[in-house]
Amino acid sequence: QVQLQESGPGLVKPSQTLSLTCTISGGSVSSGSYYWTWIRQPAGKGLEWLGRVFTSGTPDYNPSLNSRVTISIDKSKNQASLKLSSVTAADTAVYFCARQNSAFYHFDYWGQGTLVSVSS
Amino acid sequence: DIQMTQSPSSLSASVGDRVTITCRASQSISTYLNWYQQQPGKAPKLLIYVASSLQRGVPSRFSGSGSGTDFTLTISSLQPEDFATYYCQQSFTIPWTFGQGTKVDI
Repeated sequence: QVQLQESGPGLVKPSQTLSLTCTISGGSVSSGSYYWTWIRQPAGKGLEWLGRVFTSGTPDYNPSLNSRVTISIDKSKNQASLKLSSVTAADTAVYFCARQNSAFYHFDYWGQGTLVSVSS
Repeated sequence: DIQMTQSPSSLSASVGDRVTITCRASQSISTYLNWYQQQPGKAPKLLIYVASSLQRGVPSRFSGSGSGTDFTLTISSLQPEDFATYYCQQSFTIPWTFGQGTKVDI
């Protein structure tokens, strides 16, 4: 059974960089069948896809983030990571990592999510 | 970006009711449409992918249909654990986008 667990600071100051890690168990980040994805959800609002990374190749990002996002994988630790620079209060949200199936691009496994607040 | 619009935004129903939620895409997405259920404080859970394929382990009372721009999620007989928010998501092209959600409550 695949499990994903997000971790990282729950509070980030404005203009700083938000950094989160997704640890994958029961599966390999090196698998050629899946993308590793980050999605966020502000309180009481809908879901926003941030970006994804494959075991090889260039990551894909949501253009709405204006190049502030970086997603990568660490094969040695079986982890995916998210960095979001120049954060503002608008970046306060629950951040989820998810596995995206490369066959039909659906998100079949999700982490429990981690709340990140941006405040001074 | 492809805009996904769900209707209704919320609905009230009773146990045993048949419930239908609609999702409309701003352009044709073939059958690249997925449905998720989210309980309060939890991560979304995949229910249906490519419009009508039931995810393993999901009860058969959930079904999906549609193609092109118009899709539906149907719950044939609503159970207590089905009271939640439901989201559609297009997997046709990046950026992947979600509907605004439909909250199903009592």
